[in-house]
Amino acid sequence: EDQVTQSPEALRLQEGESSSLNCSYTVSGLRGLFWYRQDPGKGPEFLFTLYSAGEEKEKERLKATLTKKESFLHITAPKPEDSATYLCAVQGNRDDKIIFGKGTRLHILP
Amino acid sequence: GAGVSQSPRYKVTKRGQDVTLRCDPISSHATLYWYQQALGQGPEFLTYFNYEAQPDKSGLPSDRFSAERPEGSISTLTIQRTEQRDSAMYRCASTWTVNTGELFFGEGSRLTVL
Repeated sequence: EDQVTQSPEALRLQEGESSSLNCSYTVSGLRGLFWYRQDPGKGPEFLFTLYSAGEEKEKERLKATLTKKESFLHITAPKPEDSATYLCAVQGNRDDKIIFGKGTRLHILP
Repeated sequence: GAGVSQSPRYKVTKRGQDVTLRCDPISSHATLYWYQQALGQGPEFLTYFNYEAQPDKSGLPSDRFSAERPEGSISTLTIQRTEQRDSAMYRCASTWTVNTGELFFGEGSRLTVL
């Protein structure tokens, strides 16, 4: 069964303090790994798709990387507006389900 | 439409009642997913549609849950004989095909079962 585990569950950083969020996954042939951002009371918002190990994607202060077992979301010099829950999801080759992890709640202190 | 629209936004019902939640996806999107999201948790897969076909409903918690998308556009999720444990946010998401993980989520329907 496809599984996604995210760590840490919650992370508090000072503004400008860079860090990384982890997403470990188990899937029968990776079709795609996805990162989403979710603000309180809102639906998740798509950030990135990664398809194969070694791939990287960037958007503003966020960079996502992928290995054969995990993905990292690196946040460089974060700002308070980066505070949100970040969700990782995977889709395998066996079926079309997209399975989400429980998320990492990120709080950036000004 | 411009985005994914879900209704009702909030639903309070008594245990044992049936409820139907509605999702109106982006018009060009063939694929539609339903998720259940508990507070502080990630979305949990329920089922999905490709146009009107429902290839996978393995995430539906019990036979009290059913979903349909008869004309390949609007979808409904029905919960019969609701129980308190069904209280959650129900989220719908749509996308162009099953081959993309770029899902567009609606605002969700929050169900409270008393």
